[in-house]
Amino acid sequence: KAGVTQTPRYLIKTRGQQVTLSCSPISGHRSVSWYQQTPGQGLQFLFEYFSETQRNKGNFPGRFSGRQFSNSRSEMNVSTLELGDSALYLCASSLEGRDTEAFFGQGTRLTVV
Amino acid sequence: GDSVTQMEGPVTLSEEAFLTINCTYTATGYPSLFWYVQYPGEGLQLLLKATKADDKGSNKGFEATYRKETTSFHLEKGSVQVSDSAVYFCALYDTGFQKLVFGTGTRLLVSP
Repeated sequence: KAGVTQTPRYLIKTRGQQVTLSCSPISGHRSVSWYQQTPGQGLQFLFEYFSETQRNKGNFPGRFSGRQFSNSRSEMNVSTLELGDSALYLCASSLEGRDTEAFFGQGTRLTVV
Repeated sequence: GDSVTQMEGPVTLSEEAFLTINCTYTATGYPSLFWYVQYPGEGLQLLLKATKADDKGSNKGFEATYRKETTSFHLEKGSVQVSDSAVYFCALYDTGFQKLVFGTGTRLLVSP
């Protein structure tokens, strides 16, 4: 069974640009969550999607958005990038979300210069 | 909201030493508890979990017991290997905000 796939693995963007990250969950999983990992703030929850609906959102500005498609694949978008958005962005998939087991992808390392 | 506190690292051990990484939590109710491990350049892997009080999660020689009385979920391993060197995260599922809440992570370094 293929794991959670995130693309791209690495990105370098300039301040003010926008970026889209992609996550393909494990087959059959309907819940996809996104987390931001930084040395200063640790792992912070961004949002969760279940069956194409955003069920929950963390405390991030509106520049951070996401969506989920009918095949459960998810994308997250960050507009008007700031230097502080440099981080490892992790996607996790699970069957139903909530406290069922979450499987993480390898992450996308975003560097904003 | 709920929170997780785990010991500062790095924890430096010699191969075959006993490992304990402390984790305590603050939560309303009795959340599910998890330990995740992150190897360099990788995402998180679920190491073990416990869903109710007194449950013991175990995997690959690692163990942790859900202690309601002390609100703790300490990670232990009897004999660590060099390959166990990684960052370990304690986490709980916050049922109110419906998200995983992570501790700050503890780096483990095991030398031969």
